[in-house]
Amino acid sequence: NAGVMQNPRHLVRRRGQEARLRCSPMKGHSHVYWYRQLPEEGLKFMVYLQKENIIDESGMPKERFSAEFPKEGPSILRIQQVVRGDSAAYFCASSPEGPNYGYTFGSGTRLTVV
Amino acid sequence: AQSVTQLDSQVPVFEEAPVELRCNYSSSVSVYLFWYVQYPNQGLQLLLKYLSGSTLVKGINGFEAEFNKSQTSFHLRKPSVHISDTAEYFCAVSERRQLTFGSGTQLTVLP
Repeated sequence: NAGVMQNPRHLVRRRGQEARLRCSPMKGHSHVYWYRQLPEEGLKFMVYLQKENIIDESGMPKERFSAEFPKEGPSILRIQQVVRGDSAAYFCASSPEGPNYGYTFGSGTRLTVV
Repeated sequence: AQSVTQLDSQVPVFEEAPVELRCNYSSSVSVYLFWYVQYPNQGLQLLLKYLSGSTLVKGINGFEAEFNKSQTSFHLRKPSVHISDTAEYFCAVSERRQLTFGSGTQLTVLP
């Protein structure tokens, strides 16, 4: 039973380009969460999705960031027109029944904006 | 609003010594509490969780934590640490629709 799969592991983008981060949840998990970890900081919640629905996006920046979790395929976190401040580790997690029972995390995507 | 405070950002300890990593939370409703561990350049791994029932929770790798409602604490303990326990440890609380994480405690086990 594969865990939460994130790809790519490392992503380098020039300022102004788009970044697409992918997350395949564990088998049987229909709840997906995205977190961002800046250097020397803890994890900050970004968005919570179920299949085809955004449940809570209170942690998403208002501009340039979007997330989706389509009926088929992985969840995508999309960052348009990246800036240096977007450089961080982005972690995806999944759970079978919502957040109250804990998540399983992926290994993260480390985005570097040059 | 809820918050999680990890009182120590760095904890150095000698191998085979006991360790306690402190975590306090603030919440006006029932909470679910978690400890995660993060090894360098990896994701977070669940150590243990408190949902209900016994206030002493045992997790993986010999760790345990005690939920103390009156002190709103959920401290993590291990009686004898190993070099391999060197990692970042995060306390988290679940309320409503998300996990809120503390800022982390770097545990460094010295030979």
